[in-house]
Amino acid sequence: AQKVTQAQTEISVVEKEDVTLDCVYETRDTTYYLFWYKQPPSGELVFLIRRNSFDEQNEISGRYSWNFQKSTSSFNFTITASQVVDSAVYFCALIANRDDKIIFGKGTRLHILP
Amino acid sequence: SQTIHQWPATLVQPVGSPLSLECTVEGTSNPNLYWYRQAAGRGLQLLFYSVGIGQISSEVPQNLSASRPQDRQFILSSKKLLLSDSGFYLCAWSGLHGAETQYFGPGTRLLVL
Repeated sequence: AQKVTQAQTEISVVEKEDVTLDCVYETRDTTYYLFWYKQPPSGELVFLIRRNSFDEQNEISGRYSWNFQKSTSSFNFTITASQVVDSAVYFCALIANRDDKIIFGKGTRLHILP
Repeated sequence: SQTIHQWPATLVQPVGSPLSLECTVEGTSNPNLYWYRQAAGRGLQLLFYSVGIGQISSEVPQNLSASRPQDRQFILSSKKLLLSDSGFYLCAWSGLHGAETQYFGPGTRLLVL
């Protein structure tokens, strides 16, 4: 069975600090896809990134970076120099093999304090 | 580019009244379509998904139903709303092939009183 765990329910940091959101996944499939979504107060889920299980290269996009480590089944998300606009709920998610169903973690609520 | 619309944005309905939420996608053909519900402060629950016109799979037995009368239209309905139907309803689409990224609409906030 597939599972995504986001152990951090809520995090608060002061603006300009770096923050890492943890994501641990479980799957028996060798082919799978990992995602991060952002849900700002408006409610819409915004797609941030998708990685497949064969690509362990870390990715950087502006202030966002992702660390994918198959050895620890983790796909962590780091925001560098956080800003108030980064305040949101962040969801990590998994699709195993060629399934159409996405398994979401329970989300981490991030508060960036001015 | 693809866009996904949902309406209404907000809805307040009395218990026992019917419901119809609509979702439409533009800029793509033959999408997979999904309905999710998010209760206040909680995670996402997949309610229904559809791989084609008239094809609906239900994930959770409940008071709701879904229909897909056109390729890019997905409707969530109820004949009689319950208090527990309150929540944030999100529609999403993905490409036809498995394991593709899901893109979400703006959502509908439903409050049942």
